[in-house]
Amino acid sequence: GAVVSQHPSRVICKSGTSVKIECRSLDFQATTMFWYRQFPKQSLMLMATSNEGSKATYEQGVEKDKFLINHASLTLSTLTVTSAHPEDSSFYICSARDRGGGQPQHFGDGTRLSIL
Amino acid sequence: AQSVTQPDIHITVSEGASLELRCNYSYGATPYLFWYVQSPGQGLQLLLKYFSGDTLVQGIKGFEAEFKRSQSSFNLRKPSVHWSDAAEYFCAVAPPSGSARQLTFGSGTQLTVLP
Repeated sequence: GAVVSQHPSRVICKSGTSVKIECRSLDFQATTMFWYRQFPKQSLMLMATSNEGSKATYEQGVEKDKFLINHASLTLSTLTVTSAHPEDSSFYICSARDRGGGQPQHFGDGTRLSIL
Repeated sequence: AQSVTQPDIHITVSEGASLELRCNYSYGATPYLFWYVQSPGQGLQLLLKYFSGDTLVQGIKGFEAEFKRSQSSFNLRKPSVHWSDAAEYFCAVAPPSGSARQLTFGSGTQLTVLP
């Protein structure tokens, strides 16, 4: 089945550091990828929709300059948390939808980001 | 706007007992419906989905769900729960058409399985 690889699985870094998270579709082409954030014991909240070759669409309240998204190819989208602070600590999950635009989305295993 | 409600935050069942997790949605038309499972520190795994047709959907790991249009519900069931089923379960909906088709998740139900 369709596989989405997310890397790294866990990051611990100091406040002020920028952190890049990669999301790759391994066996299909993903024109659209989604980035979610999940706080402990809460649901997934959509942060942004990443479209290959164009600017990402951010949800209301999500700072685009804080969370930089790049979707340069049909198999890779990256989320960079710039100048991360402790309040950015969270579980970030990506998902990808294949080129046909169908459902369902395929999810990565998530990245646990901890900012000290 | 679409929304998903999972009224049970936490459910505890004994191993071998039956399980039903509730999900209600609000949407103008019949959306695409999904159930996902998440183990601690992991991503989401799709259990089953409903697009159209037969309202009783079979999924992986012995799960099934029934779409009831009149009740705007898509409840997840399993006749006999195993200890490995302990996890967080999310119901989700997506528009049946349109360019976005993004998922909206419910708040999740934490399942605890007693030995």
